[in-house]
Amino acid sequence: EDQVTQSPEALRLQEGESSSLNCSYTVSGLRGLFWYRQDPGKGPEFLFTLYSAGEEKEKERLKATLTKKESFLHITAPKPEDSATYLCAVEGSSNTGKLIFGQGTTLQVKP
Amino acid sequence: ETGVTQSPTHLIKTRGQQVTLRCSSQSGHNTVSWYQQALGQGPQFIFQYYREEENGRGNFPPRFSGLQFPNYSSELNVNALELDDSALYLCASSSLGVSSYEQYFGPGTRLTVT
Repeated sequence: EDQVTQSPEALRLQEGESSSLNCSYTVSGLRGLFWYRQDPGKGPEFLFTLYSAGEEKEKERLKATLTKKESFLHITAPKPEDSATYLCAVEGSSNTGKLIFGQGTTLQVKP
Repeated sequence: ETGVTQSPTHLIKTRGQQVTLRCSSQSGHNTVSWYQQALGQGPQFIFQYYREEENGRGNFPPRFSGLQFPNYSSELNVNALELDDSALYLCASSSLGVSSYEQYFGPGTRLTVT
């Protein structure tokens, strides 16, 4: 069964304090690993797709990396506006089109 | 380019009632997926529609049903509402293809069952 576990559940950072969020996954035939950002009461906003181990993608202060068992979302010098819940999801070859999400990491960045 | 839209934004229903939620997919997308997100949890896959047919279903009972229309918009229907159905219902659109593809989410419909 495809599974995704995110850690930590919650993270508090000071503005400018870099850190990483972890996404561990078990999937039969990875078709893609996705990172989303979700603000309270809103729908998830697409950030990145990673397809194979060793792949990296960057967007502003965010960088996503992928290994065969986990993905990391690195946040460099975060700002208060980066505060949100970050969701990780996988799509496996046995469940095409079905995203399996983790429970998310809620990030709070204090000024 | 128009993004994914959902209606209504909020809805309050009584246990045992029926509800219909609506979703308009993003321009150029032919696939719609529905997810249920309980408070503090990640979204859970309900089902997906492609070419007006159900194309995969999660672990949800038959009282959760859907439709997709020729313009790729979609409806989610829930019969015999239960208190546990209270959640944020999310619609996501995408283009079904050989390689994996991104799903773009709408703002959601907040359903409260009392």
